[in-house]
Formats: sequence, structure tokens, C-alpha cells
Amino acid sequence: DGGITQSPKYLFRKEGQNVTLSCEQNLNHDAMYWYRQDPGQGLRLIYYSQIVNDFQKGDIAEGYSVSREKKESFPLTVTSAQKNPTAFYLCASSMGPHQPQHFGDGTRLSIL
Amino acid sequence: SQQGEEDPQALSIQEGENATMNCSYKTSINNLQWYRQNSGRGLVHLILIRSNEREKHSGRLRVTLDTSKKSSSLLITASRAADTASYFCATDADNNNDMRFGAGTRLTVKP
Repeated sequence: DGGITQSPKYLFRKEGQNVTLSCEQNLNHDAMYWYRQDPGQGLRLIYYSQIVNDFQKGDIAEGYSVSREKKESFPLTVTSAQKNPTAFYLCASSMGPHQPQHFGDGTRLSIL
Repeated sequence: SQQGEEDPQALSIQEGENATMNCSYKTSINNLQWYRQNSGRGLVHLILIRSNEREKHSGRLRVTLDTSKKSSSLLITASRAADTASYFCATDADNNNDMRFGAGTRLTVKP
């Protein structure tokens, strides 16, 4: 089955630690996105990538980093510079700009 | 950043009733999309309406778009308890390669 997979489902970060969230898709989509969702809130765009080896900052990129070395993969690193990382992180992919996005089931990140 | 805003924030209805949610946005768009999110899950795409379209149907869903008022509505007819979820609109902008999501409407359908 084609889809988008995020792992892990739950993640805990210690103070000063970097953590990496995985996102893999087998839909052959060119575009991939990372969003942050806080309780009762909408989605805020962190980073997006329209093509391999290229990505752009979204509205809240500070404290986060990404890479896009393969079409299928778009990992997100939450660095120690992100002082309030507790949130639900959603990864999505689409065929291209402005096209319907397919979402993974998210990773919930908490601070220990 | 451009963003759709949904109204109301929360809506509670009885099974069988219709549910209407609204979305307003600020600048010109190529298309507007509606998504659904069940608690603790990812979003699921429901319907896309282009800027040159006024109305679109998909099963029990009806979406309208009024570009002069920069607003859209999502109507769910004959609602079911399984329709309980949060519903989001997402808008693009002519010069952006990404979408922006609103804060959503939380719909509760009581059996």
C-alpha cells in the first residue's frame, strides 16, 4: 500500500539533546512538508521541499533542521535551540505545489 | 503568512443534522482545500476547489467558494457520529509553493 510513514509515534527529548523524526513516503511524490501542531491549534509550517536536495523554511523554522537526500525521505531534526519543542509533528507529501497533501499519523514529542 | 480562518471554532449537532463550517482567507488563491483530522491522527484530504469554481460536491460533502468575499463553506449533510473530527481549510497563494492551514472547526456529532 502506498503511504507516508512517520516514526517513532512517541518521542521524548532530554534537555540539550537533538532528536530526529523520520518521514518516509512511497507515493513517488516530489514535495514533502513538516508541520507542527499544538493542542487545539492548526498546523504551522516548519520546512518544505519541492525537490531532492532543496528545501525552504516555513513560518517557524528556527530551532529545526531538515535534509532531503532522497525523494522518499525528509527527516526533521529538533535541535536544542528549539526551547519549546513539545508538540505533535506531522509530515506530508504531495505531487507538487498546491496539490492535495497526504499526511502521516504524526510523532508526539515531549520533554523529559 | 496567509492563513485560512475557520468559523465556528466548535460545533455540536445531533446525528442526522447538517453541519456547516466556514473559512475566510486574505489574499488571492489558486485553490482552497478542506481536510479532516481525527483525534491524534494525521489529516485526510477531503476536497479541492479551484479559484474558478463556485461549488463542488463529493458524497455528503458540499463546498462553495466565493472569491469576491474570500470565503468558503463546507457543508456535511445527514451527519453521522463518525463525522466527529476537526475540519481544516487550507489555502495557497499565487506566489507561494506551499499551503497554509487554519485553526480548524471541531465538530461533534452526537448519536
